[in-house]
Amino acid sequence: DQQVKQNSPSLSVQEGRISILNCDYTNSMFDYFLWYKKYPAEGPTFLISISSIKDKNEDGRFTVFLNKSAKHLSLHIVPSQPGDSAVYFCAASGYTSGTYKYIFGTGTRLKVLA
Amino acid sequence: DVKVTQSSRYLVKRTGEKVFLECVQDMDHENMFWYRQDPGLGLRLIYFSYDVKMKEKGDIPEGYSVSREKKERFSLILESASTNQTSMYLCASSSGRRITYNSPLHFGNGTRLTVT
Repeated sequence: DQQVKQNSPSLSVQEGRISILNCDYTNSMFDYFLWYKKYPAEGPTFLISISSIKDKNEDGRFTVFLNKSAKHLSLHIVPSQPGDSAVYFCAASGYTSGTYKYIFGTGTRLKVLA
Repeated sequence: DVKVTQSSRYLVKRTGEKVFLECVQDMDHENMFWYRQDPGLGLRLIYFSYDVKMKEKGDIPEGYSVSREKKERFSLILESASTNQTSMYLCASSSGRRITYNSPLHFGNGTRLTVT
């Protein structure tokens, strides 16, 4: 049972435009959410996070939005740059299956076209 | 900067071999994790540890074991490697006490393991 879902396996965006990556979760016990970027042959790099007590967090070109009632979060990248081309993973942490864990989605491959 | 170091970037092993994947972090983090990444499946949690000599099973622990004898080091062991364990293995660490995981995971660069 996939507790964290990224339903879009890939996304293409023109340079300079907004990229919006989406993520849904099912467990209301999750209380901390994160986005990671991953280049091939490298480990995931932490981008931005948000606690469940907030609905928005911003860091430079990256903004994460959290809609708790819909169990949905999104990552906005504005403006998108070719160097943003990577696989993006969302993750949620909290109490699940009897312990505290970080659960990851399956990833969305973002391609920013020059 | 947090540094998580995995001892090998690439490994090729034969079916049935015992395989050790080593991970060291330099930030005095309490929590350490092993994930594997496979296309279309994302990152799946194998084992994690929130203290020295403590370990908990993740979502896919079968065929794996772990060892945490020192706070900075977390080893993943494949007792008898099989071809379905060919994957990218990622180690991570985080600070914070077990019941409040409100801090990010910091990942190593991964070990690409091929079992033939």
